[in-house]
Amino acid sequence: DGGITQSPKYLFRKEGQNVTLSCEQNLNHDAMYWYRQDPGQGLRLIYYSQIVNDFQKGDIAEGYSVSREKKESFPLTVTSAQKNPTAFYLCASSIGPSGRAGDEQFFGPGTRLTVL
Amino acid sequence: AQSVTQLGSHVSVSEGALVLLRCNYSSSVPPYLFWYVQYPNQGLQLLLKYTSAATLVKGINGFEAEFKKSETSFHLTKPSAHMSDAAEYFCAVSDRWNQGGKLIFGQGTELSVKP
Repeated sequence: DGGITQSPKYLFRKEGQNVTLSCEQNLNHDAMYWYRQDPGQGLRLIYYSQIVNDFQKGDIAEGYSVSREKKESFPLTVTSAQKNPTAFYLCASSIGPSGRAGDEQFFGPGTRLTVL
Repeated sequence: AQSVTQLGSHVSVSEGALVLLRCNYSSSVPPYLFWYVQYPNQGLQLLLKYTSAATLVKGINGFEAEFKKSETSFHLTKPSAHMSDAAEYFCAVSDRWNQGGKLIFGQGTELSVKP
């Protein structure tokens, strides 16, 4: 079955540590996205990528980094510079070759990150 | 900047009652509009989307939404609520000239269904 996988489902991190969240898709989609979800705040865009080896900052990119070396993969690193990283992180993808407006996004199951 | 407002962070209905979740957008040009549903600790699933083909859009699980340009609204309805409809619902918008296919999400409405 085609879809988006995120791992791990739950992740615990000590303050000061970097941590990487995995996102893989086998939908052959060009565009991929990372969102952060906090209670009562909806989804906020962290980074997005329209093609391999290219990505752009979203609304809340500070303290995060990404790479897009393969079409299928778009890992997100939460660095120690992120002041409040505890949240639910969602990865998504869409089909458009340039992330066309109007294309729906397909979401993974999410990773819940907790900083201890 | 484009924005989306969902009126009511919590809505409670009885099983069998009408479900109405409100969404208003800010744009001088009709955008693309989406409704997603999220069950606890899961990702989002697309319910329906509006791309200008028809103003009344039917989605999955018996939901539908009507695009009203004069009211800049895209409210989600379902004639008869079921217990399984309890979830969080997000309205999202995408500009027609949006680079990157970015979506802007509302803050979400949590739907509770009482037996």
